[in-house]
Amino acid sequence: GENVEQHPSTLSVQEGDSAVIKCTYSDSASNYFPWYKQELGKRPQLIIDIRSNVGEKKDQRIAVTLNKTAKHFSLHITETQPEDSAVYFCAASLGGSQGNLIFGKGTKLSVKP
Amino acid sequence: DAGITQSPRHKVTETGTPVTLRCHQTENHRYMYWYRQDPGHGLRLIHYSYGVKDTDKGEVSDGYSVSRSKTEDFLLTLESATSSQTSVYFCAISVGPTDTQYFGPGTRLTVL
Repeated sequence: GENVEQHPSTLSVQEGDSAVIKCTYSDSASNYFPWYKQELGKRPQLIIDIRSNVGEKKDQRIAVTLNKTAKHFSLHITETQPEDSAVYFCAASLGGSQGNLIFGKGTKLSVKP
Repeated sequence: DAGITQSPRHKVTETGTPVTLRCHQTENHRYMYWYRQDPGHGLRLIHYSYGVKDTDKGEVSDGYSVSRSKTEDFLLTLESATSSQTSVYFCAISVGPTDTQYFGPGTRLTVL
């Protein structure tokens, strides 16, 4: 079946550094790519998303890039802060579906003050 | 929080007992989803609904059934709970297909 691979599984950075999380997807018909942040014991919350007609999207310190040819998309967090520490999940929509998302297995980001 | 509630929030039950989890939304969204979240597996889709009485299976549907008799409620039933169904269950809603999904607060289910 279709899948989404996410790397790395854990990431530790110093406060102020940048963090990059990468995902690859297998379904060439995927056209929607959201990123979720989940703090311990909380629900996943959308932080940014991108659609296949756009190559890059930015929202303050967070940006997402998409390379449809390579079936690859990435999350970039600049000027990291301790409150960015959480688990981040990427997802890709299944082509031709009712909006089903396939999620990566998550990246635990730790930002050290 | 997109007007989504889940009940119960925590439940401990024994193997072989039936369990029903409820997801309730107040915003009249057409699409609703049930996921389970386990360490090392991320979020996996169990079942989803695209309207009243319209449901379909997801990636890990075995051992689960769902019902949606009203727009606002989506029920997940474990007919005979097993220890492998110990997990955190999240409900999600979206306005339409490939629209943003918003998650409920989750239900932590433990099957002994």
